[in-house]
Amino acid sequence: AQTVTQSQPEMSVQEAETVTLSCTYDTSESDYYLFWYKQPPSRQMILVIRQEAYKQQNATENRFSVNFQKAAKSFSLKISDSQLGDAAMYFCAYDNYGQNFVFGPGTRLSVLP
Amino acid sequence: SQTIHQWPATLVQPVGSPLSLECTVEGTSNPNLYWYRQAAGRGLQLLFYSVGIGQISSEVPQNLSASRPQDRQFILSSKKLLLSDSGFYLCALEGEDSYEQYFGPGTRLTVT
Repeated sequence: AQTVTQSQPEMSVQEAETVTLSCTYDTSESDYYLFWYKQPPSRQMILVIRQEAYKQQNATENRFSVNFQKAAKSFSLKISDSQLGDAAMYFCAYDNYGQNFVFGPGTRLSVLP
Repeated sequence: SQTIHQWPATLVQPVGSPLSLECTVEGTSNPNLYWYRQAAGRGLQLLFYSVGIGQISSEVPQNLSASRPQDRQFILSSKKLLLSDSGFYLCALEGEDSYEQYFGPGTRLTVT
């Protein structure tokens, strides 16, 4: 069964600095999707970024980018120029074309002013 | 665009009472729908998913059940709540293009 691991339960970053959240996953599939979701204190789950496994180019959305290492089954999220509003739980997720959507346990990110 | 509504937003129920949580979606047809539960400070646990009217798959055996009486309506129910049913319940639908999931605002359930 597919699993998603986030080894950092908590992280903190200074405002305007850069932080990287780690995620590893286990799968025997060659094609799949990976996602990062943000859950602020309101608890609304928000999609941050998406990566298709067949694409070698790392996805980027404004200040958010990923480092996708397919062979290593690693999918880290980099947040540049951190803002107070970035403080949230961040969940890494895996999906095999709708067959098996799996979330990691989450990383709580604090942004220090 | 797709919109997900969940009702109620918060609920406090005594142990042994019944439960009905409703999820309705707009802006899409025949979506795949999901119910998740999230304990405080924890990750998401998939409870049920549905690929169509009357089609429900259960991921975790428990005293909860789900139904999909209409294409855009997904209901989570229980005949008798347990203390362990407390949590934050999220309804989600699967995107049409890239399999991402979009979430509703959630229902906070406290069983006393």
